[in-house]
Order: sequence, then C-alpha cells, then structure tokens
Amino acid sequence: DAKTTQPPSMDCAEGRAANLPCNHSTISGNEYVYWYRQIHSQGPQYIIHGLKNNETNEMASLIITEDRKSSTLILPHATLRDTAVYYCIVRSATYGQNFVFGPGTRLSVLP
Amino acid sequence: ETGVTQTPRHLVMGMTNKKSLKCEQHLGHNAMYWYKQSAKKPLELMFVYSLEERVENNSVPSRFSPECPNSSHLFLHLHTLQPEDSALYLCASSQDRAGGSTDTQYFGPGTRLTVL
Repeated sequence: DAKTTQPPSMDCAEGRAANLPCNHSTISGNEYVYWYRQIHSQGPQYIIHGLKNNETNEMASLIITEDRKSSTLILPHATLRDTAVYYCIVRSATYGQNFVFGPGTRLSVLP
Repeated sequence: ETGVTQTPRHLVMGMTNKKSLKCEQHLGHNAMYWYKQSAKKPLELMFVYSLEERVENNSVPSRFSPECPNSSHLFLHLHTLQPEDSALYLCASSQDRAGGSTDTQYFGPGTRLTVL
C-alpha cells in the first residue's frame, strides 16, 4: 500500500513555479522520499529523492518539512512539457524494498 | 533517455499467440524489474531480478514467464494471454537492491500491449 497522499490533480501556469505537495505522516526514520513523473504513455522518469535535507538538482527542488511528515516538489519554471503525473513515493533504505506507486498528482501546465 | 530500452514499443496479439517483450539496460545495473500498468491504474510490480536470479514474483499468472539471461537483458514471454492483460508493460533497472540511493530505479519507455 502506498504510504503517501497526494492531490489528484493540479494546474499551473506556464513559466510559474509548480509546487506539488505530498503527505507522508507515517514515515519512519530510514525512509526516503522519492519523486517520479510519468508523461502520457511513457515510462516513469526519476526526478529527485531525499531523506532529511532539502535537495536540488537540474530538474527540481525537494523541500522536506522538519518533522518529515510532508514534502513539496518544486518545478521552478514550469513548461508545457512538464505536464505529467507526478508520483511521491516513500521507501525504506533497507535491502530489497520495492517502489509502490500510488495514483499520483496529474499536473497540467497551462499556456 | 536511452539507458533502458524496450522492444517492441507496440504489440498486438491474439489470445493464442506467443510473443516476447525485450528489455535492455545500458547502465551497468544488477537488478531489473517488470511492471504492468493497466488503464487508469497505478503501476503494479510483477517480477524482480537481482544478479540474474528471480527474487520476486508478485502472484503473476503463469501465462507471463520472465527470463533474465544476463544482467543487461530481461525478457517477458507471453502465451495464451487474455484481453484484460492489455496494458503498458514497463521495464526498470537499478544498480542494486541494497537500499538508499543505489537502488533508484530507471524505467524504459514501455511496450503497449493489446490482446485481441
């Protein structure tokens, strides 16, 4: 079972920041927060992951609250190509743990 | 991205056909995965291979038969499928299954399968 809660859909204006929330109130100390996205009928694309600290890469920033019960994925300047389903996944750092994908958030970037 | 490739990209087959899906990863990874994604449903993990050994089989019907001849290639052999097996089949790979950052999974583009 997915351990995260995400809004089913969001809209964002092109060029603005897209802030995608994720609740993971039952997260434990050794669990990472991962974000993937899936553009229509393609394979999921890895975006970013983090444990405690905020993370940034060329695609996005991940902000994790101090209590780690929620996080936000930020796409700083959304483009039409960022329209996709975004998945927030919590996964243990122990051996052999699988990724469990929930329904995600469908982000629509509008012109 | 060309790290994980899948062929064919689209496949239409009858219920009595036998076909195979192929996945190849060029990332030097040691673990490979098959997922199924039916319309409007989340991804479902089907099989996991680690160092060419099958380590997980998530109650998948025997009409799906995986094969991992080496760490770079993964096949899914299909026979006597049903129309409800129509879905997007996704392959993924990871460096290992040790936990933490090294088992981040990277996905292929998928094979869109239609069973008539």
